[in-house]
Amino acid sequence: AQSVTQLGSHVSVSEGALVLLRCNYSSSVPPYLFWYVQYPNQGLQLLLKYTTGATLVKGINGFEAEFKKSETSFHLTKPSAHMSDAAEYFCAARSGSARQLTFGSGTQLTVLP
Amino acid sequence: NAGVTQTPKFQVLKTGQSMTLQCAQDMNHNSMYWYRQDPGMGLRLIYYSASEGTTDKGEVPNGYNVSRLNKREFSLRLESAAPSQTSVYFCASSELEVSGYGYTFGSGTRLTVV
Repeated sequence: AQSVTQLGSHVSVSEGALVLLRCNYSSSVPPYLFWYVQYPNQGLQLLLKYTTGATLVKGINGFEAEFKKSETSFHLTKPSAHMSDAAEYFCAARSGSARQLTFGSGTQLTVLP
Repeated sequence: NAGVTQTPKFQVLKTGQSMTLQCAQDMNHNSMYWYRQDPGMGLRLIYYSASEGTTDKGEVPNGYNVSRLNKREFSLRLESAAPSQTSVYFCASSELEVSGYGYTFGSGTRLTVV
């Protein structure tokens, strides 16, 4: 069965610093991969997704992620953190035969002034 | 606004009471899902409906039932609420039950069972 692991349940960065949120998936077949963001008391919003083609995917709000098959990873990055980036981030995967998304346990990002 | 609408937003139930969580989407999506979110556990799938007229169990279906009333609406029912069902519930929809499609989420229902 597909599983998604997010390393670090809490990550703190200073405003202006690099944001790196880690995600690894388990699948012998490269899955479709997604990053979602959840702001307090809201639902999840799609940040970006990888389906096929270019392995570097750009999303909204300056975020991007790189699909690395050899490392079974899909880490999320942003060059310069902003206070408004403080939220919980979820990585999700869906392999070709699966009927639904599998989510990681989430990473809470705190941005320090 | 187009999207997924959930009602109610908040609910407090006593143990043993029943209730139905409502979900409607206006994007003409075929697939709909119910998840629960608990601290440190991410989102866990309760039930899903790949298309109108079909429903299937997810990872944590015990204590819940669902109805896909039509293409737009997918409800979740708790027949006899238990404190372990205290959670935030999210409904989501997807254009197709196909791998490359992500989900659109509702804003959630915060349920407390006392």
